[in-house]
Amino acid sequence: DAKTTQPPSMDCAEGRAANLPCNHSTISGNEYVYWYRQIHSQGPQYIIHGLKNNETNEMASLIITEDRKSSTLILPHATLRDTAVYYCIVRVGKAGNNRKLIWGLGTSLAVNP
Amino acid sequence: DSGVTQTPKHLITATGQRVTLRCSPRSGDLSVYWYQQSLDQGLQFLIQYYNGEERAKGNILERFSAQQFPDLHSELNLSSLELGDSALYFCASSVGDSSYNEQFFGPGTRLTVL
Repeated sequence: DAKTTQPPSMDCAEGRAANLPCNHSTISGNEYVYWYRQIHSQGPQYIIHGLKNNETNEMASLIITEDRKSSTLILPHATLRDTAVYYCIVRVGKAGNNRKLIWGLGTSLAVNP
Repeated sequence: DSGVTQTPKHLITATGQRVTLRCSPRSGDLSVYWYQQSLDQGLQFLIQYYNGEERAKGNILERFSAQQFPDLHSELNLSSLELGDSALYFCASSVGDSSYNEQFFGPGTRLTVL
């Protein structure tokens, strides 16, 4: 089953870019990478997803390596409110057969003043 | 506010008891997902329902069961509770049946088993 590996914790200075890496070396060729974040025991919140190309939205950018074995979530100007646990997620299971998202332990990002 | 509601917010009960957690999805969403998050642990996917039918199953214990009703709300039943069942239980909803659809999470129910 595909799974992800993330550093358990990271620090970032307020106003600087936060770069959160994720390894997903066993990902299948047609599976997306999703990122969610969870702020202090609240329900997780969707951030962004991608397949092969880099993606950007109002919250973040997602850089996926050409071999798709890893990706990096970039918060361009981190604020204190970005302090959260960030989850890099892939899906397992074959089409029509119990497909589900696998959530790891995530990266706890602390944005410091 | 995600539009997903969960009740109750907090629940304290004793070992061996049975509880029911309730979830109302966002208006228009047909899928409901249940997750368990123990202290300092990531989210563990339990089960997904789509329009009343079970769609995917994760590491859900046999003591746990769920269902989705015709009005699309869902209930998670936990029985023969053990101390280790103490956790945050989240419900999420999405429009379609694919787990890849953006999931909107509720605020969670904190269960404490004493």
